[in-house]
Amino acid sequence: DGGITQSPKYLFRKEGQNVTLSCEQNLNHDAMYWYRQDPGQGLRLIYYSQIVNDFQKGDIAEGYSVSREKKESFPLTVTSAQKNPTAFYLCASGEAGEAYNEQFFGPGTRLTVL
Amino acid sequence: GQNIDQPTEMTATEGAIVQINCTYQTSGFNGLFWYQQHAGEAPTFLSYNVLDGLEEKGRFSSFLSRSKGYSYLLLKELQMKDSASYLCAVSDSNYQLIWGAGTKLIIKP
Repeated sequence: DGGITQSPKYLFRKEGQNVTLSCEQNLNHDAMYWYRQDPGQGLRLIYYSQIVNDFQKGDIAEGYSVSREKKESFPLTVTSAQKNPTAFYLCASGEAGEAYNEQFFGPGTRLTVL
Repeated sequence: GQNIDQPTEMTATEGAIVQINCTYQTSGFNGLFWYQQHAGEAPTFLSYNVLDGLEEKGRFSSFLSRSKGYSYLLLKELQMKDSASYLCAVSDSNYQLIWGAGTKLIIKP
């Protein structure tokens, strides 16, 4: 079955530690996205990538880093520089540069920093 | 700047009809999406409109007026499982999705 996976579902970290969230897709999509969602809020774009070895900052990139070494994978690192990292993180993928650009979402990772 | 507005919260009764509005101002327009998101879960695709008019899909319909920068999602015969947040997103001139904050829909028996 084609889809997009994120792991783990729940993640706990101590303040000051970096943490990497996994995102994998087998939909053969060129574009991948990372969003952050806070309680009662909409989706805010952190980073996106439209092709391997290239990525762009979104609206709230500070304190985060990404890599896109393979088409299938787009891991997100939440660094200690992120002031308020506790949130629900969603990864998505879709076709790049097309008018019909439906995004398909993974199940999300809920990160809690203690 | 780019802006999408939706009501924060709406309440409706099981079996009734509810209309969720979305207005937008974006740099370019390549279509409007509606997604459903249950609490703690990922958003799932509901509908896509790129031309003016109404698109019907079972109990859900979506309407678009490009000249007014306006869309609505119409849910009929409401069921308790329809309690969720509904997200409006516009594809802009760069084919990037601009997201509204979402409308939390509460269904009462």
